[in-house]
Amino acid sequence: EIVLTQSPGTLSLSPGERATLSCRASQSISSTHLAWYQQKPGQAPRVLIFSASTRAIGIPDRFSGSGSGTDFTLSISRVEPQDSAVYYCQLYRNSPPVTFGGGTKVEIK
Amino acid sequence: QVQLVQSGSELKKPGASVRVSCKASGYTFTHHFINWLRQAPGQGLEWMGFIDTNIGNPTYAQDFSGRLVFSLDTSVSTAYLQVSSLKTEDSAIYYCARWFHFGSGGYYDYWGQGTLVTVSS
Repeated sequence: EIVLTQSPGTLSLSPGERATLSCRASQSISSTHLAWYQQKPGQAPRVLIFSASTRAIGIPDRFSGSGSGTDFTLSISRVEPQDSAVYYCQLYRNSPPVTFGGGTKVEIK
Repeated sequence: QVQLVQSGSELKKPGASVRVSCKASGYTFTHHFINWLRQAPGQGLEWMGFIDTNIGNPTYAQDFSGRLVFSLDTSVSTAYLQVSSLKTEDSAIYYCARWFHFGSGGYYDYWGQGTLVTVSS
């Protein structure tokens, strides 16, 4: 089973700073199989990025994804207070079909 | 607009069973798999499995030792999750989510609002 490891565990930033979130897979994966989600307190997750770098409908262009092989990154170019949330990467494969990373909490000072 | 609306919170005793419903609207129900996921308090997301809404075939995550049953009532566009032999560690928010599949990939494009299940004696 492929394991996704996210880092850092918590990221504390001021408004306007750049956020860089890492998702590392225990073995090489197809970028088509990697998605990112944002979850705010008390809410269900929502998809931000799929296929590692494609923004979902309605997602601001401040959010971008990149990476290949085992290393993937979610970037937020200029964080805003409403970006406070936990961010998860998710892998889709045949067995087991879906795996999530442990999450990165982004705090805006 | 696409919506997934789940049933309300549940309080159960250890050893009991719980059933959670997920009613879909705004799209053709049988065109997208429904997945079930859960999130324990303060923890991450755990995938439980999915059901093919076209043929009703379920796939379960191995971690649940046969305690899960996924079912459908396509006449009312509703998916159901049943968890039996509940343990205190099953206390969590349970989500249904629609799987959007493309080529060799996919992602969850719509989620239910979540159902809190509390297991306590």
